[in-house]
Amino acid sequence: QSVLTQPPSVSGAPGQRVTISCTGKSSNIGADFEVHWYQQLPGTAPKLLIFDNNNRPSGVPDRFASSRSGVSASLAITGLQAEDEADYYCQSYDSSLSVLLFGGGTKLTVL
Amino acid sequence: EVQLVQSGAEVKKSGESLKISCKVSGYSFTNNWIGWVRQMPGKGLEWMGIIDPDDSDTRYNVSFRGQVTMSVDKSINTAYLQWRSLKASDTAMYYCARLQSRSRRLLSAFDYWGQGTLVTVSS
Repeated sequence: QSVLTQPPSVSGAPGQRVTISCTGKSSNIGADFEVHWYQQLPGTAPKLLIFDNNNRPSGVPDRFASSRSGVSASLAITGLQAEDEADYYCQSYDSSLSVLLFGGGTKLTVL
Repeated sequence: EVQLVQSGAEVKKSGESLKISCKVSGYSFTNNWIGWVRQMPGKGLEWMGIIDPDDSDTRYNVSFRGQVTMSVDKSINTAYLQWRSLKASDTAMYYCARLQSRSRRLLSAFDYWGQGTLVTVSS
């Protein structure tokens, strides 16, 4: 079980808004370390989606946004599209373990 | 254009050694740390370690320390991940990725990824 906890799956219909949570501890997200998010389409390498809490690399649409509060962070996807169907991972740093952490991943299904 | 191109899939037997590669282009190799990430079949991402191509300084996840060795060859802009003695449990996809910020290291995101190298180890 990952130190950063994500729901195994979420789903939504096209056009809807979905959120994916990433819950950590006081030694990682709660310590204000940056949170990053990745999208992994089936059979491909992960792709950076959000960095440093809520910054999008060039080319990532503004339908993707992130927020954080306390020991948790969330990725919100608005205007859901079929091509958003993928696995999503959060990432942060844990100071007590001195490790870079990934969340366990969330599979997004577009209904 | 930044690219990380990894070596091809490998099929090995338990006990054999292996070295996989990650050749970078499109930026100065020594400007960014390179990380390695494991993804076991049907599972999530696991950080293995990072290496500074400038001086080969390394940081290993304690779970992987002693199990793998990271190295670089600056002359050919290539990073490596090697095993001395493979186990069936090493069967996974391995990704190399570039850390976005040199100064923030483990706090930084991975902004570019290789396509992955699938390693299959039979017992």
